[in-house]
Amino acid sequence: NAGVTQTPKFQVLKTGQSMTLQCAQDMNHEYMSWYRQDPGMGLRLIHYSVGAGITDQGEVPNGYNVSRSTTEDFPLRLLSAAPSQTSVYFCASSADRGREQYFGPGTRLTVT
Amino acid sequence: GENVEQHPSTLSVQEGDSAVIKCTYSDSASNYFPWYKQELGKRPQLIIDIRSNVGEKKDQRIAVTLNKTAKHFSLHITETQPEDSAVYFCAASRTGGFKTIFGAGTRLFVKA
Repeated sequence: NAGVTQTPKFQVLKTGQSMTLQCAQDMNHEYMSWYRQDPGMGLRLIHYSVGAGITDQGEVPNGYNVSRSTTEDFPLRLLSAAPSQTSVYFCASSADRGREQYFGPGTRLTVT
Repeated sequence: GENVEQHPSTLSVQEGDSAVIKCTYSDSASNYFPWYKQELGKRPQLIIDIRSNVGEKKDQRIAVTLNKTAKHFSLHITETQPEDSAVYFCAASRTGGFKTIFGAGTRLFVKA
């Protein structure tokens, strides 16, 4: 099993550009989520999904869109990148609520 | 809204000493409390978790205690080793929900 995979590992964007961060898992987990990690602020939940076709907002959803068309994939879209979105982004999955989350390797995004 | 406070933000100990990290949470309905370890440049990984029906859980050199009345839980690492150096995150969630709220993290340095 590859577990949770994310692409790309690094990305530099100019303000106003859009892009999609890819996340996939091969553990047949229903629950997937996106976090951003900023120094001194821990991991903050952006969006999450409890199954294919079902998504909801987390703590910091503004500027991001998600969709979940399959159990395996959960892409995160930045609509119009801003410098405030410079961060490390982690995707995670879990088998059920209140269970261990498995994180991907992260994407380091810089917006200039 | 829901909040998890974590202290201290930085902790430096001598090899062989004990380390204690403390967290408080605001949502009284929280009943699942995981701890994640993140080594430099790596993804967070679960090291131990505790549910609200248990006051203490131990796994070799790591233990977690929970005080539901005070809404407080702690991570205890005994006989620390240099490889324990990392950032540790506490988190809280409800098994009936999905949002996991993370603390800001504690950077632990173990000096050889």
